[in-house]
Amino acid sequence: GAGVSQSPSNKVTEKGKDVELRCDPISGHTALYWYRQSLGQGLEFLIYFQGNSAPDKSGLPSDRFSAERTGGSVSTLTIQRTQQEDSAVYLCASSKRRSSYEQYFGPGTRLTVT
Amino acid sequence: QQQVKQSPQSLIVQKGGIPIINCAYENTAFDYFPWYQQFPGKGPALLIAIRPDVSEKKEGRFTISFNKSAKQFSLHIMDSQPGDSATYFCAASSTGNQFYFGTGTSLTVIP
Repeated sequence: GAGVSQSPSNKVTEKGKDVELRCDPISGHTALYWYRQSLGQGLEFLIYFQGNSAPDKSGLPSDRFSAERTGGSVSTLTIQRTQQEDSAVYLCASSKRRSSYEQYFGPGTRLTVT
Repeated sequence: QQQVKQSPQSLIVQKGGIPIINCAYENTAFDYFPWYQQFPGKGPALLIAIRPDVSEKKEGRFTISFNKSAKQFSLHIMDSQPGDSATYFCAASSTGNQFYFGTGTSLTVIP
């Protein structure tokens, strides 16, 4: 079946602009995660959605970052007033259910802020 | 504060060798320890995972060794192949809500 998809694959934006990154999880997966991966670094947790529960936003680095998940499926990560330090690969993952713990990752969106 | 510490940062082995990547953690509440493989331009892919109630788990050529008392776990790749050249990440979670990742190990397997 189809895996996790993300769009766009690459995004170049000017400092100060807003960007939206999209994630389509695997159909039927109730959990969705966003991570940030900077060059040569591990994955940094950003936000977690589980079903209709309130999201765990504890990893969002600033109030310029927000995310929503519509209808328990597609998710959008929004970065307002982008800064050069926001340049990274943004990865989305989904999981079948909360108790599964097995995450399936999308290919990521490479964001470059100039 | 790095919740999961991974070493080495990079590793080069000959084909057929057994690379070993190590991770250490502090939070005893962690109850799930996965390993991911990532190729350039791709997202990480789950390789193998272990729960703390077992000391070893094997899947194909990949083995996790887990030492609960030392709070350490490691990945062994048997009979390594050039196609195994990738970046490997360990991770840990206690609730499935948040996952803490190591900083990654770049593995090169020389033919």
